[in-house]
Amino acid sequence: EAGVTQFPSHSVIEKGQTVTLRCDPISGHDNLYWYRRVMGKEIKFLLHFVKESKQDESGMPNNRFLAERTGGTYSTLKVQPAELEDSGVYFCASSGRTVSSYEQYFGPGTRLTVT
Amino acid sequence: AQKVTQAQTEISVVEKEDVTLDCVYETRDTTYYLFWYKQPPSGELVFLIRRNSFDEQNEISGRYSWNFQKSTSSFNFTITASQVVDSAVYFCALSGLKYTGRRALTFGSGTRLQVQP
Repeated sequence: EAGVTQFPSHSVIEKGQTVTLRCDPISGHDNLYWYRRVMGKEIKFLLHFVKESKQDESGMPNNRFLAERTGGTYSTLKVQPAELEDSGVYFCASSGRTVSSYEQYFGPGTRLTVT
Repeated sequence: AQKVTQAQTEISVVEKEDVTLDCVYETRDTTYYLFWYKQPPSGELVFLIRRNSFDEQNEISGRYSWNFQKSTSSFNFTITASQVVDSAVYFCALSGLKYTGRRALTFGSGTRLQVQP
């Protein structure tokens, strides 16, 4: 079974540009999460999808971040316009429907560098 | 609000030593889940264990064991006879249950474990 995949693995952009990160969850997982770890800080929750619906977006830092999950499969996280403080590693995770759905399986992350 | 504290920033041991990683948490939820994840140098977060707040039995999996003590809000992780391959950053995390709290994980800051040959 394929794990969570994320694309790209690394992105370098200039301040003010737009970047779109993609996450493909484990097949059949309804729950999809985005987290990020900015330099020197803890891994922080951004938002949670259940299928295509946003269940919890309390961690989204501001309206420069837009997450979508059309069709309830893969998800994208767009940052527009990017700021220097957005640099960090963005993780995606997914989980299933049963009691083990509390176990979130993470992708390798996308390292975003804003210069 | 939830909070997870991993006071040990970095630990260095010699192979075959036992090592315990500490985790202390705070939550207002009466039921919750606790987790440990491992982040090897390759960068991905690898799930190690999930523990329910209403199950205080300790768990052992090979060289890994976990000690959950609700009275002290701690969920410590012990590696017995450490190996070089155990070198990684280890994260403790907390989440609510579906009906009582958020699914989002609250992470500690991580403990970097270096196992020297």
